Amino acid sequence: ELKVEQNPLFLSMQEGKNYTIYCNYSTTSDRLYWYRQDPGKSLESLFVLLSNGAVKQEGRLMASLDTKARLSTLHITAAVHDLSATYFCAVDNTGNQFYFGTGTSLTVIP
Amino acid sequence: NAGVTQTPKFRILKIGQSMTLQCAQDMNHNYMYWYRQDPGMGLKLIYYSVGAGITDKGEVPNGYNVSRSTTEDFPLRLELAAPSQTSVYFCASSYPGSSYNEQFFGPGTRLTVL
Repeated sequence: ELKVEQNPLFLSMQEGKNYTIYCNYSTTSDRLYWYRQDPGKSLESLFVLLSNGAVKQEGRLMASLDTKARLSTLHITAAVHDLSATYFCAVDNTGNQFYFGTGTSLTVIP
Repeated sequence: NAGVTQTPKFRILKIGQSMTLQCAQDMNHNYMYWYRQDPGMGLKLIYYSVGAGITDKGEVPNGYNVSRSTTEDFPLRLELAAPSQTSVYFCASSYPGSSYNEQFFGPGTRLTVL
């Protein structure tokens, strides 16, 4: 069974600071996904990373993928309150089944 | 496009009752999925379907059934509801022909079994 681990599980950071969320997965995977979930809401797709060395950026968020280390990172630059949410990474195995991490709950403090 | 829609939004069931959670998508996606999300946890795959008439079990299928008679609809059936099935249920769809195979999620159904 493919396992996906995220850390930290909880992150409280001040506005303006930088931080990184880590996502490790246990077996080879075709794609790595990052999602955002606001409290009581559904999941919103942030990034899809397809290959080793892939890097994608949107605003203050940047995601990268190292398939050899089976590691993805989500880097937050100069955090703002609007980024407070839970962030999930997920991988798909053969394209049929998706496996999600347990999520990182991010709180940005003014 | 409405995307992925789910009904109902909320439901309270008594132990032993049954119900069907509805899911529909209008994006002509082949693949559809049902997940459950327990408080403070990630998503667990219950069932998925790669096309009309084809379904398969995910990580946590016990206590659930699905059918896929059309491309658009993928209902999830709970028989003999139990408190352990209290959760938020998300339906999703994707198009595997795209290199991204990105999943699009519905708004969720919050189910409580008492």
